[in-house]
Amino acid sequence: QKEVEQNSGPLSVPEGAIASLNCTYSDRGSQSFFWYRQYSGKSPELIMFIYSNGDKEDGRFTAQLNKASQYVSLLIRDSQPSDSATYLCAVFNQAGTALIFGKGTTLSVSS
Amino acid sequence: DADVTQTPRNRITKTGKRIMLECSQTKGHDRMYWYRQDPGLGLRLIYYSFDVKDINKGEISDGYSVSRQAQAKFSLSLESAIPNQTALYFCATSDRRADVGPQYFGPGTRLTVL
Repeated sequence: QKEVEQNSGPLSVPEGAIASLNCTYSDRGSQSFFWYRQYSGKSPELIMFIYSNGDKEDGRFTAQLNKASQYVSLLIRDSQPSDSATYLCAVFNQAGTALIFGKGTTLSVSS
Repeated sequence: DADVTQTPRNRITKTGKRIMLECSQTKGHDRMYWYRQDPGLGLRLIYYSFDVKDINKGEISDGYSVSRQAQAKFSLSLESAIPNQTALYFCATSDRRADVGPQYFGPGTRLTVL
């Protein structure tokens, strides 16, 4: 069974700080990687996706991928209380048929 | 209007009842998915459909069935509901032109089986 691992948290950061969320995956052939944000009781919302090694930036969010280490991360700069949510890492399996989700990291940003 | 809609949004039912959850989308996507989410277990794939005639079991299909009535509609049925099927259910869609691209989720259905 292919797995995606995340630290469940909670990760607590003060407002304005950088939050760093990490994810490792077991399927070395995985091709695409996603970060979703989920507020309690709501549906997952796509934040970022990354396909190639390196960094991808979108506003306050940066996704980082290292395929050799099977590691993907999400940095949130200038964290806001509204960023408080659970962040789900998701990885496509090598066959491209199924998106495997981690259990999520809960982020709490205090004002 | 939301691109992916799910009905009902909340449902309470009794053990042994047949339940259907419906999903509709206006995104024009070919691929549709059903997931369930349980506290501590994350999102798990129940069934997926890459087009109307292509339906596949996911990780946890036992006790569930699906129907893809049209490109835009994908229904999930619980033939005889049991309490451990109490969960949050999400429908999702993706574009086949982005083969391993992102999935977009509906608002979810909270199902309680008593």
